[in-house]
Amino acid sequence: GAGVSQSPSNKVTEKGKDVELRCDPISGHTALYWYRQSLGQGLEFLIYFQGNSAPDKSGLPSDRFSAERTGGSVSTLTIQRTQQEDSAVYLCASSLLGDSRGTEAFFGQGTRLTVV
Amino acid sequence: KNEVEQSPQNLTAQEGEFITINCSYSVGISALHWLQQHPGGGIVSLFMLSSGKKKHGRLIATINIQEKHSSLHITASHPRDSAVYICAVIPGGGADGLTFGKGTHLIIQP
Repeated sequence: GAGVSQSPSNKVTEKGKDVELRCDPISGHTALYWYRQSLGQGLEFLIYFQGNSAPDKSGLPSDRFSAERTGGSVSTLTIQRTQQEDSAVYLCASSLLGDSRGTEAFFGQGTRLTVV
Repeated sequence: KNEVEQSPQNLTAQEGEFITINCSYSVGISALHWLQQHPGGGIVSLFMLSSGKKKHGRLIATINIQEKHSSLHITASHPRDSAVYICAVIPGGGADGLTFGKGTHLIIQP
């Protein structure tokens, strides 16, 4: 597709369940980012992938959060044993190059996760 | 740690007014994004700039690297401009993701 695609757009899950969120970046973009926006909060960086390099996981809030990127393209963010405080909009962005080179990032529409 | 401050936090204006939203940051950056987020919607990147000024339609963005400050202007504002506008900076030389301001909630009344 022409833009960054995320699925599902909405997810309601029970506390304690695992969830997987998917991001399809723009074709050819080597950098991929996950962000989180909790209700009433600003945007928060979670994790960054650049090509085949080891990801920068410095923003992940706990070890229940993990992410992988297969074949340098699609990425999956997994949250294990979800908690209510995990409820947020999870946004994915991709860019042609890494941010350190000041390349524009394109955002997906986000996945709204609600943990009940 | 880079701090990004936006002002104002909330702004209500009448249709047709000239709008200015400000962004200040504390450390060196390689570039800055202005983003737009509509209620319930995703995020759209309006501008990415590292120096000078960019214009797209009724939107103008400026940045002063020495003063660590950027402004987003909207001319002839319209109710459809109502959204949250977010300033986000790209740290210089690092591999971290964007650092975001808390956003400016803009309402344009007809």
